[in-house]
Amino acid sequence: DVKVTQSSRYLVKRTGEKVFLECVQDMDHENMFWYRQDPGLGLRLIYFSYDVKMKEKGDIPEGYSVSREKKERFSLILESASTNQTSMYLCASSRDSTYEQYFGPGTRLTVT
Amino acid sequence: AQKITQTQPGMFVQEKEAVTLDCTYDTSDPSYGLFWYKQPSSGEMIFLIYQGSYDQQNATEGRYSLNFQKARKSANLVISASQLGDSAMYFCAMRGAFTGKLIFGQGTTLQVKP
Repeated sequence: DVKVTQSSRYLVKRTGEKVFLECVQDMDHENMFWYRQDPGLGLRLIYFSYDVKMKEKGDIPEGYSVSREKKERFSLILESASTNQTSMYLCASSRDSTYEQYFGPGTRLTVT
Repeated sequence: AQKITQTQPGMFVQEKEAVTLDCTYDTSDPSYGLFWYKQPSSGEMIFLIYQGSYDQQNATEGRYSLNFQKARKSANLVISASQLGDSAMYFCAMRGAFTGKLIFGQGTTLQVKP
C-alpha cells in the first residue's frame, strides 16, 4: 500500500514564525503536491514537484515555498506565518501525471 | 480555464438506498481525467474512482460508479446500497491533459441515515 505521511496532525504557530510542514512518501513516486483545504473552497494547489529539486507553482503559491531535496520528501515552508494561513494542509503523491494521487492524513495548522 | 462544480453542499440518504452526487466540469483540454475522492471526518482523502475522457464505458468500483456524460460535461458519482460508513465529504476532481495537477470541486457532504 502507498503510504504518505505528514510530520504533524495538528500544529499551532504564532504570527511571523517560520513553519515547516514535512511530507514523506514510500512508493518512489515522481510527483508530489501540497494543497490547502478551506471550507467551501475545496482543495487548492499550492505547489507541486515532478522530480527532485524541481518545483512548480500551483494556484495559490503566495506566502509559501517548497523544497524537494530527496525524491521521497517534499517540504512546505511558510516563511512568515500569517493568520490567513490557518488551514488544513494536505500532501499528495502520484507515480506520474497519469495516475491517481494518494494523500497524507493532513496537518491542521492554526496561526495565532 | 478548468473548473469543477459541485452544486450540492450537503445531502442525506437512507441506509441501503442509492445516492447520486453531482459534478460538472469545464475544460478545453482534448483529454482529461475525472476523479472522485472521499474524505471521512478523520481528514484523509481516499481515492474512489477514475474516468478517462476517452473511456467508452462508465467506470465502476464495487458500490461506486461514475455516470459520465461527456456532452453534458458531467461526471456524477453513484453510490449504491449506502452504508453508514459512507458518511463523509466527497470531492470531484479533474486532471488536464498535460499535467498531473488536480482541480477540485467544493465538495458535497453526505450523511447516511440508519
